[in-house]
Amino acid sequence: AQSVTQLGSHVSVSEGALVLLRCNYSSSVPPYLFWYVQYPNQGLQLLLKYTTGATLVKGINGFEAEFKKSETSFHLTKPSAHMSDAAEYFCAVSDNFGNEKLTFGTGTRLTIIP
Amino acid sequence: DSGVTQTPKHLITATGQRVTLRCSPRSGDLSVYWYQQSLDQGLQFLIQYYNGEERAKGNILERFSAQQFPDLHSELNLSSLELGDSALYFCASSVDTSTDTQYFGPGTRLTVL
Repeated sequence: AQSVTQLGSHVSVSEGALVLLRCNYSSSVPPYLFWYVQYPNQGLQLLLKYTTGATLVKGINGFEAEFKKSETSFHLTKPSAHMSDAAEYFCAVSDNFGNEKLTFGTGTRLTIIP
Repeated sequence: DSGVTQTPKHLITATGQRVTLRCSPRSGDLSVYWYQQSLDQGLQFLIQYYNGEERAKGNILERFSAQQFPDLHSELNLSSLELGDSALYFCASSVDTSTDTQYFGPGTRLTVL
């Protein structure tokens, strides 16, 4: 079975500071990994995804994530936080071995301090 | 706007009742997924349909059922509702396989009183 662990249910950073949201996964087959963002009262929007190939993945809004197989991690980073980044972020895993559903982590609420 | 539409946006009903949630996928998408988001369970996969056929099942209660119609829209039916069924229900769609991005609709907020 696949699972995702997001360390830190709440993260606060100052505007302009580095954003680091942690995600570790467990999967018995090569995983596909995703980061989604949810703004208040809205649906989920894909930030970025890793399927195969380059392990450093760039997404929208200046976010990127690196797939590290040895650490079973897929941490999300952004060099400089903006107020508009305040939202809830979900890491998710799936695969292409007959398991296309997304298994989500519990989410990390990001607060930006002015 | 993801291109996935869900109706209604809000639904308030009583325990024991039955409701139907509707989802229209993005044009060209063959797969539809249903997810439930609640405070205690988080985001959980319920069920997936691909081109009219059930493809995968998750933590979906027996009181819940879904279907995908020939025009590819999908409905999620929830019956004998309980207070604990109060949640946000999301529909997502993708072209085909899991490498394809799942695009999420805005959700239907169900409140069971």
